[in-house]
Amino acid sequence: DQQVKQNSPSLSVQEGRISILNCDYTNSMFDYFLWYKKYPAEGPTFLISISSIKDKNEDGRFTVFLNKSAKHLSLHIVPSQPGDSAVYFCAASARRDDKIIFGKGTRLHILP
Amino acid sequence: DGGITQSPKYLFRKEGQNVTLSCEQNLNHDAMYWYRQDPGQGLRLIYYSQIVNDFQKGDIAEGYSVSREKKESFPLTVTSAQKNPTAFYLCASIGTGLYGYTFGSGTRLTVV
Repeated sequence: DQQVKQNSPSLSVQEGRISILNCDYTNSMFDYFLWYKKYPAEGPTFLISISSIKDKNEDGRFTVFLNKSAKHLSLHIVPSQPGDSAVYFCAASARRDDKIIFGKGTRLHILP
Repeated sequence: DGGITQSPKYLFRKEGQNVTLSCEQNLNHDAMYWYRQDPGQGLRLIYYSQIVNDFQKGDIAEGYSVSREKKESFPLTVTSAQKNPTAFYLCASIGTGLYGYTFGSGTRLTVV
C-alpha cells in the first residue's frame, strides 16, 4: 500500500508561470517531508524540506506547503524555468535521519 | 569533495549471472540505502544499513544481497534469483541527525 502518493504522473506548465506539484500521504507517523528533483540517468538531488511543526517553507523560487490535517503537501515553483523540467519526487520519513519513503514522481515539462 | 560514488554507471548481465554494484561514500555517514527505480514506479527500497555489520531488508529485497563490512562501502549483489533485474539502481546515505539523503549518480543494469 502506497504511503506517499503523487497522483499526477506528469504536468506541463508554461515558462514563467507557477508550477504546483501535489503529494498525499497516509502514514500519520511521518514527521519530515522532502522534495527531490531528478534528471534522467542521474541521482535525485534534494530540493526542499519541511517538518511537521511548520506549514510552509520557502527557498528562493521553491515553496513547500504542508496541510497535516489533510495529509497533503504541495511544491510551488515560481516562476517556472526551462531547467525545472525534471521528475519531482515527494518523500517522507518518520524521523529526521530515518529511511525515506518516496512517491512515484511527477514529470514536470516547462513549455517555452 | 565528499560524496557517493556508484560504479559502474552501466552494467550488462547475462541471465543467470550474479552481479555486484559498488557504492562508496566519503561523507562519514552512518546509514546507507539501496533503491531501485523503474518507470512509473518511483524509488523502491531494496536494503538499508544503519551501522557497520548490520543491514535490514527493504520493501523489495528478494533476489538481492548486501554486505556492510566497512562504513564507507555498501555493495549490492543482484543474484540470479531476481526475476526482473533490469532497472536503475541508486545508492544513498545519510548522517546521524542530518536531513535527507545524499544520492549517488546511479547504475543502470540491463539483462541481455
